[in-house]
Amino acid sequence: DIQMTQSPSAMSASVGDRVTITCRASQGINNYLAWFQQKPGKAPERLIYAASSLQSGVPSRFSGSGSGTEFTLTISSLQPEDFATYYCLQHNSYPLTFGGGTKVEIK
Amino acid sequence: QITLKESGPTLVKPTQTLTLTCTFSGFSLSTSGVGVGWIRQPPGKALEWLALIYWNDDKRYSPSLKSRLTITKDTSKNQVVLTMTNMDPVDTATYYCALRAIFGAVTNWFDPWGQGTLVTVSS
Repeated sequence: DIQMTQSPSAMSASVGDRVTITCRASQGINNYLAWFQQKPGKAPERLIYAASSLQSGVPSRFSGSGSGTEFTLTISSLQPEDFATYYCLQHNSYPLTFGGGTKVEIK
Repeated sequence: QITLKESGPTLVKPTQTLTLTCTFSGFSLSTSGVGVGWIRQPPGKALEWLALIYWNDDKRYSPSLKSRLTITKDTSKNQVVLTMTNMDPVDTATYYCALRAIFGAVTNWFDPWGQGTLVTVSS
């Protein structure tokens, strides 16, 4: 199984901050990675697909990068509605695996 | 508009079998490339992929749960059913279904999701 190690597991940040979240895969997954945002009590919503492609309707302050084993989700200027938990998902091979999540809280 | 909605019991007893139904609209599970997956999330914990069924009836399972899971589809009813046997309190979680499809050159993994259904396992 491919393990997805996400860091940090939690962070505090202020509105306007640049935020970076990392996912590391235990083996290469090409660019078969997606990022999801989940707000309390809600289902996850996809932000990024194919590691760096922005989902339609998602603000351009979100971006993804990486390939192989290391991937990054960046929020260029954190907004109040961005406080949430973020997950990566690898779909290079079965079993599909999610990262452990990063909770972004208000500082 | 694509929608998915999970339904099933909110409370099951230990050792019982859980049956969840994902009812969807806006796409067909007979279309090439389409699949529906199940993902769960224990309270306060991370997401865990469980199973996926494709348009051609190919089925994939999480190895750690494979012996307990069965996924089936009813294309005419636009439904996917997940059964999980021998339920335990550690299986208490919100269970989600989500779409996997191909749009042009892009394979769309898990967008959108259903609203989720909380299943509690307790005697």
